[in-house]
Amino acid sequence: DSGVTQTPKHLITATGQRVTLRCSPRSGDLSVYWYQQSLDQGLQFLIQYYNGEERAKGNILERFSAQQFPDLHSELNLSSLELGDSALYFCASSVGTVGNQPQHFGDGTRLSIL
Amino acid sequence: AQKVTQAQTEISVVEKEDVTLDCVYETRDTTYYLFWYKQPPSGELVFLIRRNSFDEQNEISGRYSWNFQKSTSSFNFTITASQVVDSAVYFCALSDLRTGGATNKLIFGTGTLLAVQP
Repeated sequence: DSGVTQTPKHLITATGQRVTLRCSPRSGDLSVYWYQQSLDQGLQFLIQYYNGEERAKGNILERFSAQQFPDLHSELNLSSLELGDSALYFCASSVGTVGNQPQHFGDGTRLSIL
Repeated sequence: AQKVTQAQTEISVVEKEDVTLDCVYETRDTTYYLFWYKQPPSGELVFLIRRNSFDEQNEISGRYSWNFQKSTSSFNFTITASQVVDSAVYFCALSDLRTGGATNKLIFGTGTLLAVQP
């Protein structure tokens, strides 16, 4: 158990809809990261927050947004969903932003768009 | 640009065989960090090891060992006496650091699927 909690585990929805994925980091971790894992793109970094502040953005679509709340949990919002958004979405956390700190991953949310 | 290459897409071995998973990286940073993660069939990503660029000592943990060679930009992972429970996708990753420590996002390789047959 990594200590990172992601909900829900599975999400099935239709094109055009909006969903929210939730992540609670490990106790004491201030950094939260979101990654997308798909068959064609592999594991891709989406966005990082540190103590409520956005720190880095990867190839995140404009239809996607995220935030980190004062209690450090984070939410990833995906809107106007398309078939290609079907993927496994991981949240990870680490103590800070120092490179040698390993990121610990949650079990992921599997999103299926019908 | 930062890049991680895992040329082996899939490896199949029989239990008790030794197997080495290759990882080659590219970076312009003088200080960097490398990681290995395991993704078993259940889907979660499990952290295995971290390596600093300034520490070229090889590391052994039970049946697992890692060989870091800066000269060839490689960070290979060997499993000795493989077991069926080792069957998983293994990812090598590189920390993409920015000046001032603003971020340490990971750049992943495409992964190597290891199948250990009984």
